[in-house]
Amino acid sequence: QSVLTQPPSVSAAPGQKVTISCSGSSSNIGNNYVSWYQQLPGTAPKLLIYENNKRPSGIPDRFSGSKSGTSATLGITGLQTGDEADYYCGTWDSSGVFGGGTKLTVL
Amino acid sequence: QLQLQESGPGLVKPSETLSLTCTVSGGSISSSSYYWGWIRQPPGKGLEWIGSIYYSGSTYYNPSLKSRVTISVDTSKNQFSLKLSSVTAADTAVYYCARHDDYYASDYWGQGTLVTVSS
Repeated sequence: QSVLTQPPSVSAAPGQKVTISCSGSSSNIGNNYVSWYQQLPGTAPKLLIYENNKRPSGIPDRFSGSKSGTSATLGITGLQTGDEADYYCGTWDSSGVFGGGTKLTVL
Repeated sequence: QLQLQESGPGLVKPSETLSLTCTVSGGSISSSSYYWGWIRQPPGKGLEWIGSIYYSGSTYYNPSLKSRVTISVDTSKNQFSLKLSSVTAADTAVYYCARHDDYYASDYWGQGTLVTVSS
């Protein structure tokens, strides 16, 4: 059971928009920054979003992040088949914590 | 470009100690504002943070693993290491090393190494 709660799976058609939620508590998301990671099959996770809504260099603006209270959301617009991956949120809660991951299927 | 590379045995016997090393290249492990951590992922499951170390030697461990984990740093070799004692089959996972900032955003990761616990 992960400290942060994510939906196990989401799906959408190419070109559409999808959001992935990450729910926590005041001890984690409520008082710390949230990061988001993309993990393609067989590869290491890749940082997509840091400090709730900032994108590292090279990450397209199709990816966005937001946070409100004890929840965070990752948004992906203009879905591409290459976006099919597992997505994880992460933050701090007296130690590092991750969500259980969400599998994105681009139909 | 910063690169991280895990190394160590791919097979460990139950009750023994798992030992891995992460070699950092393309940058200094002594950089301020960054921490060096270990994360693992059991086959088909999610990510689990194990712990992190600052170049000064300050460590931060996952409470659920703290009694079995030791993370150390060797700045002269630009490496940091993980030791996990008394392993069981539940410790079978891909182990990643990564760099993270003060806000726990991990921007550089190693490719990961599979460690199997089996007799």
